[in-house]
Amino acid sequence: EAEVAQSPRYKITEKSQAVAFWCDPISGHATLYWYRQILGQGPELLVQFQDESVVDDSQLPKDRFSAERLKGVDSTLKIQPAELGDSAMYLCASSRMGATLTEAFFGQGTRLTVV
Amino acid sequence: GDSVTQMEGPVTLSEEAFLTINCTYTATGYPSLFWYVQYPGEGLQLLLKATKADDKGSNKGFEATYRKETTSFHLEKGSVQVSDSAVYFCALRAGGQNFVFGPGTRLSVLP
Repeated sequence: EAEVAQSPRYKITEKSQAVAFWCDPISGHATLYWYRQILGQGPELLVQFQDESVVDDSQLPKDRFSAERLKGVDSTLKIQPAELGDSAMYLCASSRMGATLTEAFFGQGTRLTVV
Repeated sequence: GDSVTQMEGPVTLSEEAFLTINCTYTATGYPSLFWYVQYPGEGLQLLLKATKADDKGSNKGFEATYRKETTSFHLEKGSVQVSDSAVYFCALRAGGQNFVFGPGTRLSVLP
């Protein structure tokens, strides 16, 4: 069964350091999402890609966060410099393009702890 | 903007009890509606979905009916098991194609 792959599963970093997360969506899924989930809350969108293009990054803190999806396949989310408040679960999801009726498939997430 | 409201948790039930988790939404346009489940330390898994008014989504004994007139999508299960203990998220997907999630409801089922 196809899955969304994320790595690493866990990351501990010191504040002011750089950190990067990787996501490989399900093959053929043109839409890719990065969500941040703070403990005890629902996921909140950081960035949405359609193929290699950014569709929505209105909630992405662009002074420290960046995301790319070169070639429209896998994606990297970077934080530089990391702050204590960035500690959260970072979830990647993918879905088929142009079909508002279909669900998103989620990876297992990366748990980030900033110390 | 679009939003989802869920009943506050945690919800604690005994095994074989009846479960209802309320969900209401606000959306421009005609959204699709979803319930996702999250087990500790894991990502979200789709539980069920509905794409138009009066559709009933069902899976693993869980059900939810898309009620356009009340903008609701309440989750129900007739007899919960200990293995159903998890966090449940109601979500919608509208024209912008982004998924908007509720805050989640934690369910604990006691043996």
